[in-house]
Amino acid sequence: QKEVEQDPGPLSVPEGAIVSLNCTYSNSAFQYFMWYRQYSRKGPELLMYTYSSGNKEDGRFTAQVDKSSKYISLFIRDSQPSDSATYLCAMSGVNRDDKIIFGKGTRLHILP
Amino acid sequence: GAVVSQHPSWVICKSGTSVKIECRSLDFQATTMFWYRQFPKQSLMLMATSNEGSKATYEQGVEKDKFLINHASLTLSTLTVTSAHPEDSSFYICSAAKGGTEAFFGQGTRLTVV
Repeated sequence: QKEVEQDPGPLSVPEGAIVSLNCTYSNSAFQYFMWYRQYSRKGPELLMYTYSSGNKEDGRFTAQVDKSSKYISLFIRDSQPSDSATYLCAMSGVNRDDKIIFGKGTRLHILP
Repeated sequence: GAVVSQHPSWVICKSGTSVKIECRSLDFQATTMFWYRQFPKQSLMLMATSNEGSKATYEQGVEKDKFLINHASLTLSTLTVTSAHPEDSSFYICSAAKGGTEAFFGQGTRLTVV
């Protein structure tokens, strides 16, 4: 079993819809959970990070972590065509400069 | 947020030659830098972790003699792909950590070996 599992998609949704992106993981030592957005031929950009379980909201983005289920989610409300990108979940241990383990990324297309 | 600059953004080289990629943290001192490789439609794969002033730690399966990493200062790390071959063509991305906070990524370098 891979440490981090993420459906590669592609996921296509109409503009304005709520998008749900998810990852599962197997390593219970993970404490930091991150979501990165990567546009084609660019480096990843950190969108949000959460520590341990719980929710975190930033504008149209909401990150959820359920450590009991080893499941994390990113919700995008009122999706826009500019949200079209690859979204990668990532996780690491207690120290924030520990090795970061990435999911494969989900390609998201927001249809105008 | 912190800025990490990677140079060049793309490079084409002939098979058998060496290519150097630079990663600089512009507005902070990076205790640790990471080098990743990403093939098309694949996730980022960690190649090595480097700490300033010490030897890099390579992931299993990554040839340290082929991918030379130098972390000479707290703001600069370099990756040299030696004797490059077409199968080394990929997107190489660095990230820099401030130590205790999140890591920030460079914009990536697309290497094409012909």
